[in-house]
Amino acid sequence: QKEVEQNSGPLSVPEGAIASLNCTYSDRGSQSFFWYRQYSGKSPELIMFIYSNGDKEDGRFTAQLNKASQYVSLLIRDSQPSDSATYLCAVNPQAGNLIFGKGTKLSVKP
Amino acid sequence: GAVVSQHPSRVICKSGTSVKIECRSLDFQATTMFWYRQFPKKSLMLMATSNEGSKATYEQGVEKDKFLINHASLTLSTLTVTSAHPEDSSFYICSARGTGNSGNTIYFGEGSWLTVV
Repeated sequence: QKEVEQNSGPLSVPEGAIASLNCTYSDRGSQSFFWYRQYSGKSPELIMFIYSNGDKEDGRFTAQLNKASQYVSLLIRDSQPSDSATYLCAVNPQAGNLIFGKGTKLSVKP
Repeated sequence: GAVVSQHPSRVICKSGTSVKIECRSLDFQATTMFWYRQFPKKSLMLMATSNEGSKATYEQGVEKDKFLINHASLTLSTLTVTSAHPEDSSFYICSARGTGNSGNTIYFGEGSWLTVV
């Protein structure tokens, strides 16, 4: 059974801090990895994707991938209250459709 | 990024009637579309995978005769909830997998809130 695991949270950070969201996956052959943000009552929106080991930065967001450890993370620098949402990790396995984690709820306190 | 449009965004229907939700990829061709259901404060639940021109593949426990999926073109998939009951009230979300430059990236529609009264 291919799985994507995330801590459900809530993860609470103060405004301006770095929020670190983590995700592990079971299919070692997975090739691409995605982070989605979902606000309450809305559908998920794509934030970033990463294919290669290492870091990928986009504005305040940095995705980190370590295929050897089967670990992908999302760092949010200078967290804002508007970043409060549920963050979904998704993994494209070697075969089959995208697998989503259950999401981590992030709360950024003013 | 690619755009996926879903319609209607909110619908209220009477118990026993059928409701159709449309999902369109606006600026790319989607060979595969997915339908999810999400209850309040719960995780996304994949209902079915829809491939253009072929029958949908339903997840275990999802009634294919109740949730009819049609993917007649590369830009349109529809979900029809037949003989709706109050327990079908939920947030239904479609997503589409892009082709070409969009690759394997999945883009979500805005979602449709269904309330069955």
